[in-house]
Amino acid sequence: KAGVTQTPRYLIKTRGQQVTLSCSPISGHRSVSWYQQTPGQGLQFLFEYFSETQRNKGNFPGRFSGRQFSNSRSEMNVSTLELGDSALYLCASSLARDTRTYYEQYFGPGTRLTVT
Amino acid sequence: QKEVEQNSGPLSVPEGAIASLNCTYSDRGSQSFFWYRQYSGKSPELIMSIYSNGDKEDGRFTAQLNKASQYVSLLIRDSQPSDSATYLCAVNIYTGGFKTIFGAGTRLFVKA
Repeated sequence: KAGVTQTPRYLIKTRGQQVTLSCSPISGHRSVSWYQQTPGQGLQFLFEYFSETQRNKGNFPGRFSGRQFSNSRSEMNVSTLELGDSALYLCASSLARDTRTYYEQYFGPGTRLTVT
Repeated sequence: QKEVEQNSGPLSVPEGAIASLNCTYSDRGSQSFFWYRQYSGKSPELIMSIYSNGDKEDGRFTAQLNKASQYVSLLIRDSQPSDSATYLCAVNIYTGGFKTIFGAGTRLFVKA
């Protein structure tokens, strides 16, 4: 079974621009979570989507948004990029067959975003 | 107090020894607990999950959970140089949707 895929793998943007990152979960997985990883802050939760609905959100400004499509693929958007947004953005998928039972998350390879 | 705390390390052990990694969490509503291994430049890889009090063994890895003490640990037996990585403790809570909180990670070095 194919793992979680993320595109693009690397991205360089300029301050003020916007960026869209894509994530395709493992086949059959309906839950997709996004994380930001930086050396100073570690892995921080951005948001989780299940069946096209955002169920939970971390403490990030409104410039960070996401969505999930009917095929469970997800996109994350960051508008008005700042230097501090430079990070590894990770997507993780989970079976999550129902809304109360949690299953293990499996991570994609990540997108390395550099803002100059 | 951080929601999930780990010793940052580095933890250095000789090859063949037992490596012991510890993690504490603050939310008593936490429901599931995970250990991830992350090699430099790579994404986290799930190595253990534990949901109930006690021990869970998988090969050279043993996860231990004590919900009363809000403590979870990972033991790596017969440590190998290939085990050298950062180990992330993750705790999952349900607040209308799942939210996973990660610790800052413990760097492990296994010396040959």
